[in-house]
Amino acid sequence: TQLLEQSPQFLSIQEGENLTVYCNSSSVFSSLQWYRQEPGEGPVLLVTVVTGGEVKKLKRLTFQFGDARKDSSLHITAAQTGDTGLYLCAGRNTGFQKLVFGTGTRLLVSP
Amino acid sequence: NAGVTQTPKFQVLKTGQSMTLQCAQDMNHEYMSWYRQDPGMGLRLIHYSVGAGITDQGEVPNGYNVSRSTTEDFPLRLLSAAPSQTSVYFCASRSGEYYGYTFGSGTRLTVV
Repeated sequence: TQLLEQSPQFLSIQEGENLTVYCNSSSVFSSLQWYRQEPGEGPVLLVTVVTGGEVKKLKRLTFQFGDARKDSSLHITAAQTGDTGLYLCAGRNTGFQKLVFGTGTRLLVSP
Repeated sequence: NAGVTQTPKFQVLKTGQSMTLQCAQDMNHEYMSWYRQDPGMGLRLIHYSVGAGITDQGEVPNGYNVSRSTTEDFPLRLLSAAPSQTSVYFCASRSGEYYGYTFGSGTRLTVV
């Protein structure tokens, strides 16, 4: 079973601060996705990265796929209370239909 | 609205009872999956399907059955509920390998 470890597990910050969440594995993935989940709801896709070294930006969120395609990071600039939620990374290997999810990072942004 | 619909939203079962969690999508997606979410363990894959008539096991398939008779529906059956199956269950679908999943809003199941 491939494992995706996320760090930190919990993060509590003030509005306006910057933060980075990490997603690491010993396995190589053909693509990696990031999701955000709010209480009582299912995860919602934020981004998919497929090329080693790829960087994608979604407003204040910056996603990077590691050169070796074993790790990824999510950086949030000037966090807002609306960013509060559970952030999940998920990776897939070529030819495999299974999507493996990380353990999650719970972010709380206070005003 | 288009999406993935799961029913019921909440369910309490007694140990040994059986039940079916329903999942339907109206996006004509080929790929569908069932995940369970437990505190500190992320989402774990139970069963998945790559099209009507085709299913396969995920990481934690024991105690669960699935079938896929149509593209739209992918029910999950608990054969004999156990307290270890207390969890939040999510159904998800996607249209292709590099596309993200669309998740349902989940079923919170408690087995007593």
